[in-house]
Amino acid sequence: QKEVEQNSGPLSVPEGAIASLNCTYSDRGSQSFFWYRQYSGKSPELIMFIYSNGDKEDGRFTAQLNKASQYVSLLIRDSQPSDSATYLCAVTPGGTSYGKLTFGQGTILTVHP
Amino acid sequence: DGGITQSPKYLFRKEGQNVTLSCEQNLNHDAMYWYRQDPGQGLRLIYYSQIVNDFQKGDIAEGYSVSREKKESFPLTVTSAQKNPTAFYLCASSDGGGKETQYFGPGTRLLVL
Repeated sequence: QKEVEQNSGPLSVPEGAIASLNCTYSDRGSQSFFWYRQYSGKSPELIMFIYSNGDKEDGRFTAQLNKASQYVSLLIRDSQPSDSATYLCAVTPGGTSYGKLTFGQGTILTVHP
Repeated sequence: DGGITQSPKYLFRKEGQNVTLSCEQNLNHDAMYWYRQDPGQGLRLIYYSQIVNDFQKGDIAEGYSVSREKKESFPLTVTSAQKNPTAFYLCASSDGGGKETQYFGPGTRLLVL
């Protein structure tokens, strides 16, 4: 089993719809959770981070964390073509004090007009 | 302007040659990281450093070497022992200490001639 696994893509949604990206992790002691967006040929840029169970909202983005079920998700409301990118889930493993991140393989999102 | 710079943007390596990728940050971050990304995959950690003059191997350190002589600089050398070096190399930095967020440079694409 992969340490961090994302739902296989590619994911295609129409403009204006909600895109749902999911990520599960194997280390129950994981503490910090991040979502990065990566456009083709570019480096990852941070969208959101979440540390506590529940929801965290930032504009059109909502991160949801459920530590008991070991999953974290990202919802993108009112999806726009500019949201088309690869989304990377990253997790700080338990017992690590220096922020080492383990990344999932990424989910490609396409928002079509 | 604060940020992370990487150079060169593209790098070509000949068989048996060592090449060095530059990473500089002016964010006053303690921790710096090197990742490798292969097509369609997530990021894999090569080396990381939490403090000047100290660094640790990541998950795929074989064939790579680093130094951390200055806080703002963390160069990566891809040695001739790395038999499959073609990849997108990403440098990141963070404040250090646990839950902090990693910020990425623009990346260097390494190709083998």
